[in-house]
Amino acid sequence: DTGVSQDPRHKITKRGQNVTFRCDPISEHNRLYWYRQTLGQGPEFLTYFQNEAQLEKSRLLSDRFSAERPKGSFSTLEIQRTEQGDSAMYLCASSLPGGAYEQYFGPGTRLTVT
Amino acid sequence: SQQGEEDPQALSIQEGENATMNCSYKTSINNLQWYRQNSGRGLVHLILIRSNEREKHSGRLRVTLDTSKKSSSLLITASRAADTASYFCATDTTFMNRDDKIIFGKGTRLHILP
Repeated sequence: DTGVSQDPRHKITKRGQNVTFRCDPISEHNRLYWYRQTLGQGPEFLTYFQNEAQLEKSRLLSDRFSAERPKGSFSTLEIQRTEQGDSAMYLCASSLPGGAYEQYFGPGTRLTVT
Repeated sequence: SQQGEEDPQALSIQEGENATMNCSYKTSINNLQWYRQNSGRGLVHLILIRSNEREKHSGRLRVTLDTSKKSSSLLITASRAADTASYFCATDTTFMNRDDKIIFGKGTRLHILP
């Protein structure tokens, strides 16, 4: 297994456009997490899935954000009508079920909204 | 608001010295994890300590947890240049209360001087 992968690694978009990011977790991991990280800050929790069920969404996740994990494997995070404030690194992580397991992080997708 | 808060925000020490970072949190937790993030790289899990554990070791790392004070410390002994990174604590409160999630602190930036 090559670990958690994310695509694309970088995305530059104009304000108002929609963007979609993909995360492929480690294959045997049931849990998948999305975080957002800005410079000098720790990762901010956005949402997580156990299999295909989205169990928790942060209040940071406005209506413009939506995440899916349709078959319990890969996940997508879509941001509609992007704003400059959405510029950040979007991190995906996966883990075995239950919170007592370490999370394995992907390299992230760096989003720049111009 | 941030659940975990690391202290100090930044730390510079000479190579070979020990480095200690602290993390304080607010609500009851299932476990607490420490992660490292090198400049331009992803987050890497270092160590996990469960709420019923008080101390844990892994190589040159020693983590303590005091649930009565809602605090944890990470000690890196005999520091090396490669330890230069940001260190984050992450608290797991999943399924414990309505605001359950995994929350990262803002991190301690550690710089090892040659």
